[in-house]
This record gives sequence, C-alpha cells and structure tokens, in this order.
Amino acid sequence: LAKTTQPISMDSYEGQEVNITCSHNNIATNDYITWYQQFPSQGPRFIIQGYKTKVTNEVASLFIPADRKSSTLSLPRVSLSDTAVYYCLVGDPRITGGGNKLTFGTGTQLKVEL
Amino acid sequence: NAGVTQTPKFRVLKTGQSMTLLCAQDMNHEYMYWYRQDPGMGLRLIHYSVGEGTTAKGEVPDGYNVSRLKKQNFLLGLESAAPSQTSVYFCASRRWREDTDTQYFGPGTRLTVL
Repeated sequence: LAKTTQPISMDSYEGQEVNITCSHNNIATNDYITWYQQFPSQGPRFIIQGYKTKVTNEVASLFIPADRKSSTLSLPRVSLSDTAVYYCLVGDPRITGGGNKLTFGTGTQLKVEL
Repeated sequence: NAGVTQTPKFRVLKTGQSMTLLCAQDMNHEYMYWYRQDPGMGLRLIHYSVGEGTTAKGEVPDGYNVSRLKKQNFLLGLESAAPSQTSVYFCASRRWREDTDTQYFGPGTRLTVL
C-alpha cells in the first residue's frame, strides 16, 4: 500500500481557498487517490476521488500532477463548517482479495476561523 | 434509505465481559469493514468482508471476531473485553463502480472498557 504524507494541521479563515497537499511517492500504476472528511464524533465522509489530472465536484477539486506522486485537495471559499480532519488515501479499488484495505493516516486537521 | 447504521451508540464494559456490535447497511453493498479509531490517530482496520459468509483479518484483528451471515449485516464481537479495546468503532460498506470507489461510514460506537 502506498504510504501518504500530509500536514498535521492547517489554519484558515472563512471565505479563503484552502489547499491540502498529500505526498504519495510510491503510488502504484492502478492506485486511485481518495479524500475523506471527518467531523468530530462522526464517521469519515467521501469527498472526492481521482486517478490523474483534475477532478471537480460540488464540494472540492482534486489536482493530480502527471507523475502522480502528490495530490492537492482544494476547498473553495471555506466556512466554519469545513473545520474537520481530512484524510488522503491511496489504493487500488480492483484488489478484491485485499478488500481494498485503504490506510487512513492521521489526516490533516483543518481549522477555519472567522 | 438509512445508509449504514450501528448499534449501540455507546457502551461501557468491565474487563472480561463480552459484547457484539451490530452494523447494518441497506445499500446492497458486498464489502463491509470494521475500523477502530483512537484519540489522535487515524482509523485502523480490524476485519473486513468481501461478501456474505466471508470474513478476513485486517490490520489489528486480535481480540475481535466477526460474522457476516447476512449480506446487510456485519457483526463485531469482543469475547473478553480489555481496557486496550476502549475506542470508537466505525463500520463501513463499500461501493465500487467503474468510476468511483466509495466507503460509507456509520456514526460509530463509543466503547469504554473499565
């Protein structure tokens, strides 16, 4: 499983764009990159997933450079409610035998203030 | 559509007692997972199942047993609880389609072992 490295914490203010970068130097050819969000006392929630280039949905954008050794989650115009822990995961969803045992690291604690 | 539900939400046990945590999903997903989350740490996989009647060990399986008798239910058992098993337990089910691989998490069970 590809190991990921992301900042332990980040601070921002309401209305700003937040970019969280994740390093995954030994990502495998078939690995996807997935980001989850977790609020206190809740289970993680899927945010976005990508394989290469850029992916955008109603919540966030995911930028993946050509070498795929890193990825950046971009949250536009954050609000107080975006305060949460964000996890970057890398894995091959087609590995049925392993059940796609994604590894959740310690994540990045994002704190948004007024 | 309730998604993933977990029972109970809270429980306090004495060392040596046993209990079963129930996870149910109504999304007809094949894959289901049990994780534990300790303060300041990410999620660690305990056991998982790739379909009805199947189970497999994850990263930290010792002290736990699981069963998947019905597709919609995944049970986690503690035969003889220990203080080291004090944690928050999350269940998840997984949907894998051509474009997206997503895990859906339950609200968690907070377990304290005295």
